[in-house]
Amino acid sequence: DAGVTQSPTHLIKTRGQQVTLRCSPISGHKSVSWYQQVLGQGPQFIFQYYEKEERGRGNFPDRFSARQFPNYSSELNVNALLLGDSALYLCASSLTGANYGYTFGSGTRLTVV
Amino acid sequence: TQLLEQSPQFLSIQEGENLTVYCNSSSVFSSLQWYRQEPGEGPVLLVTVVTGGEVKKLKRLTFQFGDARKDSSLHITAAQPGDTGLYLCAGEGNTGNQFYFGTGTSLTVIP
Repeated sequence: DAGVTQSPTHLIKTRGQQVTLRCSPISGHKSVSWYQQVLGQGPQFIFQYYEKEERGRGNFPDRFSARQFPNYSSELNVNALLLGDSALYLCASSLTGANYGYTFGSGTRLTVV
Repeated sequence: TQLLEQSPQFLSIQEGENLTVYCNSSSVFSSLQWYRQEPGEGPVLLVTVVTGGEVKKLKRLTFQFGDARKDSSLHITAAQPGDTGLYLCAGEGNTGNQFYFGTGTSLTVIP
């Protein structure tokens, strides 16, 4: 059974550009969450989606947006990239939410130059 | 924002030694989880603790949830090089729509 898959694995973008990151959850998982992890720190919560609806949002600017599709896959979009957006972006899926624990993908390493 | 502070931030020990990692907050959590993350990978769930005072064991790892559900600890007995990694505690916020990770403890076990 495939785990959580994220694409692309690595990405280099220029300041001011836009980026779209993709995530496919484990089959049967209806909740997808996105996190930003800067080197040496714990992941920071960005969004949670459940059944295609936004259920939670972290303290990130409006340049960050996401959506979940009918097949429960998800996209994270970041507009007007800044150097400080360089990080590992992690996607996690779960059956319904935190109480069941999250399964994480390997992440997308975004570098903004 | 519900903060989860972990200590120590860095830990380097010899193989065979014991260690304890602490996760503390001023807020009450309905449950706390512990994850381990290796470089280039996403965090992997180790355990979920739900009841105040609960103790769970996973081989050489012992997890405890504080009575007031504001803190947790992870104890590793006879550490092995394979235990090396970033250990993260995490919990769901009071409103149930945010998930917070701790500041992380980077463990290195030297053979």
